[in-house]
Amino acid sequence: GQQLNQSPQSMFIQEGEDVSMNCTSSSIFNTWLWYKQDPGEGPVLLIALYKAGELTSNGRLTAQFGITRKDSFLNISASIPSDVGIYFCAGQLPGTYKYIFGTGTRLKVLA
Amino acid sequence: DSGVTQTPKHLITATGQRVTLRCSPRSGDLSVYWYQQSLDQGLQFLIQYYNGEERAKGNILERFSAQQFPDLHSELNLSSLELGDSALYFCASSDGTSGGRRSTDTQYFGPGTRLTVL
Repeated sequence: GQQLNQSPQSMFIQEGEDVSMNCTSSSIFNTWLWYKQDPGEGPVLLIALYKAGELTSNGRLTAQFGITRKDSFLNISASIPSDVGIYFCAGQLPGTYKYIFGTGTRLKVLA
Repeated sequence: DSGVTQTPKHLITATGQRVTLRCSPRSGDLSVYWYQQSLDQGLQFLIQYYNGEERAKGNILERFSAQQFPDLHSELNLSSLELGDSALYFCASSDGTSGGRRSTDTQYFGPGTRLTVL
């Protein structure tokens, strides 16, 4: 079945550093969503991308929908301690209402 | 606050029992999705309802069932519970009408129900 490979699995960074993570697949997706999940909480939508090549920002976050429609990346600039959490990508399968979720990137920020 | 509500927040029960999880979607959303998240795992899609009808099915066990009611709230029923069913169960909602307006497919998640089977 379709899979989303999300990398890195986890990362430790210093406060103030920029972070980059990505999702790749062998399948094409119509929509890419990026979520952040805090422990014991529901995922919170960060950025939604609807068109190949689209680059969208939300504060310190920037995400892009890959031209091939098989990948997406999320950048966080000038990280702060509250950026800690698990970041998930999700891709919508063409012709369906179904989303496939990546395995998550666990981010830890060292003050 | 996403606007999606789930009850209860925590549920502790024994193996072999049956439980019902409840979800109310965001106002105006017609579509409800259920996901299971085991410890330190990603989100596994279980099932989707749109305006009362099943629209898509994922990796949902036969012991699990769901429905969406006329007022659009949804319930996920888990029966003959096993230890391995312990997980966070999330509901998400979206407008679901799509029709080219893809923003309407964007899913917003509730806070989840933590199920512990002892």
